[in-house]
Amino acid sequence: SAVISQKPSRDICQRGTSLTIQCQVDSQVTMMFWYRQQPGQSLTLIATANQGSEATYESGFVIDKFPISRPNLTFSTLTVSNMSPEDSSIYLCSVVRWAGGGQETQYFGPGTRLLVL
Amino acid sequence: QQQVKQSPQSLIVQKGGISIINCAYENTAFDYFPWYQQFPGKGPALLIAIRPDVSEKKEGRFTISFNKSAKQFSLHIMDSQPGDSATYFCAASKAGGTSYGKLTFGQGTILTVHP
Repeated sequence: SAVISQKPSRDICQRGTSLTIQCQVDSQVTMMFWYRQQPGQSLTLIATANQGSEATYESGFVIDKFPISRPNLTFSTLTVSNMSPEDSSIYLCSVVRWAGGGQETQYFGPGTRLLVL
Repeated sequence: QQQVKQSPQSLIVQKGGISIINCAYENTAFDYFPWYQQFPGKGPALLIAIRPDVSEKKEGRFTISFNKSAKQFSLHIMDSQPGDSATYFCAASKAGGTSYGKLTFGQGTILTVHP
């Protein structure tokens, strides 16, 4: 398994401000991802956090709004910039690990619950 | 073509009963199909996953049935318990290179198990 921690666990922010969310994994992983879960909705992939290079963003998400850092193989940050109430969501860090036999397993962190007023 | 459609949206089952949640996908390149369980205030937890080379996988009370030709897969929870009450998500992704980790999720099913 993978132990993933996120900080902060929740926050209430004013519109126009920015929040940086941290993700820490218990051991090195190649692949880290950031997902968003809007209230009562399913999960949507924001971007892949690449170590040593820029993040890769999915359609509808841009670097200026969601800058991502990945300084090493156990840590990543996601910043939600210039926030609006529409950014109120749960933001989740996720990693992929491979078990014996090449079977991938994807794990999620506990999430950061963001409310923008 | 990236959609995963999940049903039902909500499900109420009596304790000891069988809970069945269904998902259908369109993209035939998908080859990893996990199910996640999410409790309120928590992140999704991997429950069980299957690949298209098998038609069924069982882990304890949880079974995934997979029908490749119909592009459908389902989760069966046997002997459902009140502690199983949660939101369940099916998901799918493609294997290989930059596709790993890029899950497409279903809409979720809120399961309530009555004692």
